[in-house]
Amino acid sequence: QVQLQESGPGLMKPLETLSLTCTVSGASIRSYYWSWIRQPPGRGPEVIGFIFYSGDTNSNPSLKGRVTMSLDMSKNQISLKLSSVTTADTAVYYCARDNIDSTLFAGYDPWGQGIPVIVSS
Amino acid sequence: EIVMTQSPATLSLSPGERATLSCRASQSVGSNLAWYQQKPGQAPRVLIYGAFKRATGLPARFSGSGSGAEFTLTISGLQSEDFAVYYCQQYNHWPRTFGQGTKVELK
Repeated sequence: QVQLQESGPGLMKPLETLSLTCTVSGASIRSYYWSWIRQPPGRGPEVIGFIFYSGDTNSNPSLKGRVTMSLDMSKNQISLKLSSVTTADTAVYYCARDNIDSTLFAGYDPWGQGIPVIVSS
Repeated sequence: EIVMTQSPATLSLSPGERATLSCRASQSVGSNLAWYQQKPGQAPRVLIYGAFKRATGLPARFSGSGSGAEFTLTISGLQSEDFAVYYCQQYNHWPRTFGQGTKVELK
């Protein structure tokens, strides 16, 4: 059974860099695409970006180049850095696997439990 | 960016009733549409992908339909565990985008 667990700080100040880690168990991170998704309070989820071990990566243009994602194969972890945070970045942050059905995307599954991040001065 | 619009925002129904949730894309997404269920304090859970394909283990009372820009999620015979928020998500264009959700609440 594949499980994901996010970790990182829960409280940030404006202009700081948010660093989150997602630890994957039950699957090698080499085997799938992995995504970061966030959900602001009371709103729908927003895709931040994805990464694959080959180096294939992309992030949401709305985040204007503030996103860096990386993989640590030795620890089976995925990392997210979001620079220059503002109050608009307050959200629950999730990591998730891009599930595949016959090479096609079949939804984000599973998800981590999520980590709430508050940006406040 | 593709905008996903869900309606209604809230659906008040009783157990056993049929729920019909709509999702409209601002442009065609083909059949690249997924539905998720989210309960309070939990991560979303994928129900449907490819517009109509059920995720593993999903009860048959859940069904998806549509293509292009208009999609429907139908829950035939609501069970108590189905009261939740439902999101549609397109993955035909980057960035992948979600709708704002439909809350199915107990009447």
